[in-house]
Amino acid sequence: AQSVTQLDSHVSVSEGTPVLLRCNYSSSYSPSLFWYVQHPNKGLQLLLKYTSAATLVKGINGFEAEFKKSETSFHLTKPSAHMSDAAEYFCVVSYTNAGKSTFGDGTTLTVKP
Amino acid sequence: KAGVTQTPRYLIKTRGQQVTLSCSPISGHRSVSWYQQTPGQGLQFLFEYFSETQRNKGNFPGRFSGRQFSNSRSEMNVSTLELGDSALYLCASSLYRGEYNEQFFGPGTRLTVL
Repeated sequence: AQSVTQLDSHVSVSEGTPVLLRCNYSSSYSPSLFWYVQHPNKGLQLLLKYTSAATLVKGINGFEAEFKKSETSFHLTKPSAHMSDAAEYFCVVSYTNAGKSTFGDGTTLTVKP
Repeated sequence: KAGVTQTPRYLIKTRGQQVTLSCSPISGHRSVSWYQQTPGQGLQFLFEYFSETQRNKGNFPGRFSGRQFSNSRSEMNVSTLELGDSALYLCASSLYRGEYNEQFFGPGTRLTVL
C-alpha cells in the first residue's frame, strides 16, 4: 500500500523568504513522487517529479525537491517566495503500472507582502 | 497541443438526479483517471481507465461509474445524487501506464447538488 503525509496543512511565509513544504511517503515499491500546485479555481499543475534518476529534482518556477530514501521524504523548497506562489500544494506518490496516484491532504501556502 | 478538457465546467443538480461528466484527454494519452476533490476529504481517486478498460477503482459506491471510448475520451456518471456528492471532479490523463506516471489535469467540473 502507498500513502502520503503532508506534515503541514498551512504554511505562511513572507515574500522573499524561503519556502519549505514537507512530505513523507510510504510505498511498498520504488515510488514515483510528484508535487502539484493548485491555484484557486484551477486544475492541478505539475511542479516537478522524481523518477529514480537524480535525488535532487528541479521543477518549474524555481521549486526543487530532494528525495531522501532513508527518511522517506520528498520535501519541496524554494529559495525565495513570490506572491504568485500562494496556492495549495499536493505531494503525490505513484508506482509503476499502478495507474493510480495517492495524494496528500495538501498544504496551503500563504505569502505575506 | 491542447490540454485536458472537461465539460461542463459547472453543474447544478438536485438530489436523486443523475449526472454525466465528460473528459477529453491530451491527444495520444491513453490513460484517464478521475478524482473527487472536497474540502473535507481532499483529493480522492475514483477510477482509472486505460484502453477502454477500468484498471483501478477507488473506494466509492457503485453509484459512481465511468467508461472510456476508443478515442480515449472518458465519461463519468453519478446516479441518485446525494448532497455529499457536491465536489470538484478532476480528470487527469497520462501517456501510458508504465513508469513515471505523470498525470495532466483538466480544470475540473464543479458539481453542486441541491
